[in-house]
Amino acid sequence: NAGVTQTPKFQVLKTGQSMTLQCAQDMNHEYMSWYRQDPGMGLRLIHYSVGAGITDQGEVPNGYNVSRSTTEDFPLRLLSAAPSQTSVYFCASTQWGGPRRGTQYFGPGTRLLVL
Amino acid sequence: DQQVKQNSPSLSVQEGRISILNCDYTNSMFDYFLWYKKYPAEGPTFLISISSIKDKNEDGRFTVFLNKSAKHLSLHIVPSQPGDSAVYFCAASAQDFGNEKLTFGTGTRLTIIP
Repeated sequence: NAGVTQTPKFQVLKTGQSMTLQCAQDMNHEYMSWYRQDPGMGLRLIHYSVGAGITDQGEVPNGYNVSRSTTEDFPLRLLSAAPSQTSVYFCASTQWGGPRRGTQYFGPGTRLLVL
Repeated sequence: DQQVKQNSPSLSVQEGRISILNCDYTNSMFDYFLWYKKYPAEGPTFLISISSIKDKNEDGRFTVFLNKSAKHLSLHIVPSQPGDSAVYFCAASAQDFGNEKLTFGTGTRLTIIP
């Protein structure tokens, strides 16, 4: 199993550009989520999904869109990049309700720089 | 409003000694707590967890203690090893059917001195 994969590893954008951060998992997990990590802020939840076709907002959803058309994939779209979106983005997945509740598996992250 | 707080941004401990990382929370609905470990340029990895019905959980060198009345949990690492040098995040979740949302603390950078 590859686990949770994220592409790209690093990206530089100009203000106003759009892009999609890709996330895929091969563990058949129903629950997937996106976090951003900023210095002194920990990891903050952007959006999450409890299954294909179902998404909801987390703590910091503004400026981001998500969709979940398959169990495996959960892309994060930046509609119009802003310098405040410079961050490291992590995708995670878990099988909710399982014996290891809350044990999310994280991808390696995407480092985004918005100029 | 930070619901999960790690008030020590960094901690240095001699190799072989005990490392104690602390975490406080404010939301009384949290009933499950986890610790994650993160190395540079990698995603966080699960370390250990504890349910609110317990006050202690042990896994090898790692023990998590939960004090519900004080809304405080701590992670003990004994003995500390150089490979334990990483950022440690405390996380909490509240029982919500179908929802595994985690609220993370800001992290503590642990450095083990050889």
